[in-house]
Amino acid sequence: QKEVEQDPGPLSVPEGAIVSLNCTYSNSAFQYFMWYRQYSRKGPELLMYTYSSGNKEDGRFTAQVDKSSKYISLFIRDSQPSDSATYLCAMSSRDDKIIFGKGTRLHILP
Amino acid sequence: SAVISQKPSRDICQRGTSLTIQCQVDSQVTMMFWYRQQPGQSLTLIATANQGSEATYESGFVIDKFPISRPNLTFSTLTVSNMSPEDSSIYLCSVAPNSNQPQHFGDGTRLSIL
Repeated sequence: QKEVEQDPGPLSVPEGAIVSLNCTYSNSAFQYFMWYRQYSRKGPELLMYTYSSGNKEDGRFTAQVDKSSKYISLFIRDSQPSDSATYLCAMSSRDDKIIFGKGTRLHILP
Repeated sequence: SAVISQKPSRDICQRGTSLTIQCQVDSQVTMMFWYRQQPGQSLTLIATANQGSEATYESGFVIDKFPISRPNLTFSTLTVSNMSPEDSSIYLCSVAPNSNQPQHFGDGTRLSIL
């Protein structure tokens, strides 16, 4: 079993829809959780990070962590074509080593 | 967050040659890292660049192949030595202001080996 599992997609949704992106993990030592957005030919851009279970909201983005189920999600409300990118989940056990998912390619259809 | 500049942004190299990639940050940071991102794969950590001491390499990566320098708190280099087509990849630098803080990435160096 891989440490972090993420569906690669592609995921296509119409503009304005709510997007749900998910990752599961197996290492219970992971203590902080991140979501990165990566546009083509660019580096990953940090979107959200959280240290605790529950929800964290930032504008149209909500990160959700369920440590008991080892499951994290990123929700995007009112999706826009500019949200089309690859979204990478990432997590760390406080040893500065981040484990990344493979990324989900998201397409928002105008 | 810090502004991270990587050079070159891309290159095409001949088999058996070496290339040095530079990473410059606009502020002092404690932590600097080098990653590899291959098509369809997740980011893989190559090494942690330690200022004033030898880099810490992850399993599967060795200093002779990927020598790293970190002369100060704003600059690091990664050299890909004796390149083969299997080294074709995107190489990314990341930084964190201190230990156990989220990392921020440069735009990467796209490397192709002929």
